Amino acid sequence: KAGVTQTPRYLIKTRGQQVTLSCSPISGHRSVSWYQQTPGQGLQFLFEYFSETQRNKGNFPGRFSGRQFSNSRSEMNVSTLELGDSALYLCASSSGVTGLEQYFGPGTRLTVT
Amino acid sequence: QQQVKQSPQSLIVQKGGIPIINCAYENTAFDYFPWYQQFPGKGPALLIAIRPDVSEKKEGRFTISFNKSAKQFSLHIMDSQPGDSATYFCAASSLTGSSNTGKLIFGQGTTLQVKP
Repeated sequence: KAGVTQTPRYLIKTRGQQVTLSCSPISGHRSVSWYQQTPGQGLQFLFEYFSETQRNKGNFPGRFSGRQFSNSRSEMNVSTLELGDSALYLCASSSGVTGLEQYFGPGTRLTVT
Repeated sequence: QQQVKQSPQSLIVQKGGIPIINCAYENTAFDYFPWYQQFPGKGPALLIAIRPDVSEKKEGRFTISFNKSAKQFSLHIMDSQPGDSATYFCAASSLTGSSNTGKLIFGQGTTLQVKP
């Protein structure tokens, strides 16, 4: 099976812009979780989707949003970018109902200037 | 209560040594504890996971030891190789409760260097 894929792999945006990141889960996986990874804060949970419904959300501002499509592909959007949003954004997919046996993609490296 | 504390922050061992990475948690509701390995430029890869009903689990050269009463778990890498040089993350979550679905709480990571 192909692994989790994320596009694009690298992005450079300017403060105030918005950005959309895409994630294609492993075939058959219905749960997709998103994480932000930074050197200072480590890996932090953003949100999780299962069958097109957001089931869980982390402690991030409303500028961070996501959605999931009927084919389980997921997107996350960050509006009004801030310098502090520069990070590696990782998505992980899971086949189980709990969404916890997670397999990660390579991530999207976002740089905000 | 949601934190997972990981130590040490970095670790250097000689080839063939047994690095040990430790994690501690506070939330007694946690009942799923995975370990991930991350190489530079890659996403974390699931190595091994344990539930609290067992005290030890082995997969290849990787072993998790779990101490429920102390709320601690650790990763041991047997016969370590230079190719094991990576960052290792422990994580925790609960398999029950809607507030935990799809949400792993990660430790801060341990950078391991295995010298030839």
